[in-house]
Amino acid sequence: QKEVEQNSGPLSVPEGAIASLNCTYSDRGSQSFFWYRQYSGKSPELIMSIYSNGDKEDGRFTAQLNKASQYVSLLIRDSQPSDSATYLCAVTLYGSEKLVFGKGMKLTVNP
Amino acid sequence: DAGITQSPRHKVTETGTPVTLRCHQTENHRYMYWYRQDPGHGLRLIHYSYGVKDTDKGEVSDGYSVSRSKTEDFLLTLESATSSQTSVYFCAISDRVGYYGYTFGSGTRLTVV
Repeated sequence: QKEVEQNSGPLSVPEGAIASLNCTYSDRGSQSFFWYRQYSGKSPELIMSIYSNGDKEDGRFTAQLNKASQYVSLLIRDSQPSDSATYLCAVTLYGSEKLVFGKGMKLTVNP
Repeated sequence: DAGITQSPRHKVTETGTPVTLRCHQTENHRYMYWYRQDPGHGLRLIHYSYGVKDTDKGEVSDGYSVSRSKTEDFLLTLESATSSQTSVYFCAISDRVGYYGYTFGSGTRLTVV
């Protein structure tokens, strides 16, 4: 069973701080990695994708990938109350057109 | 939600009745998926489709069937609803998962009483 693990949280940070969300995966053949944000009562929304080792930045969001350690993370700089949501890590399996999701990490940003 | 709609948005049904949820897309994407989301379990794949009339089971397919007779429509049927199928159901679409991931519909909240 190919798995994606996220710390269950919840994570609480003050406004303006850096929030760090982590994810590990078991399939060494995984090639593509995604972060989704899900507000309460809403559907998941894609916010970041990363395919190569290293960092990828998009505004206040940075995704980090380390394939050797089978580890992907999401950093949110200058966290805002509007960032309060559940963040889902998703990974493609080798040779598959399906995503496997972690169970999500609930982030609360306190004003 | 970017050319994908689910219907109904909410439904309450009785145990033992059949229920059909509909996912409709206007993106002409090849791949369509049905997930359920439950507290403590996250998103779990029920069934998916990689083309018209081409479907396959996911990890929690028991008690569910699907059909895809047109590119744009993917139907999920609960053959005889049970209380354990009370959940939020999401449809997702993709053209190339490895590049674009999924786009999700707004979800259907199903309650089986």
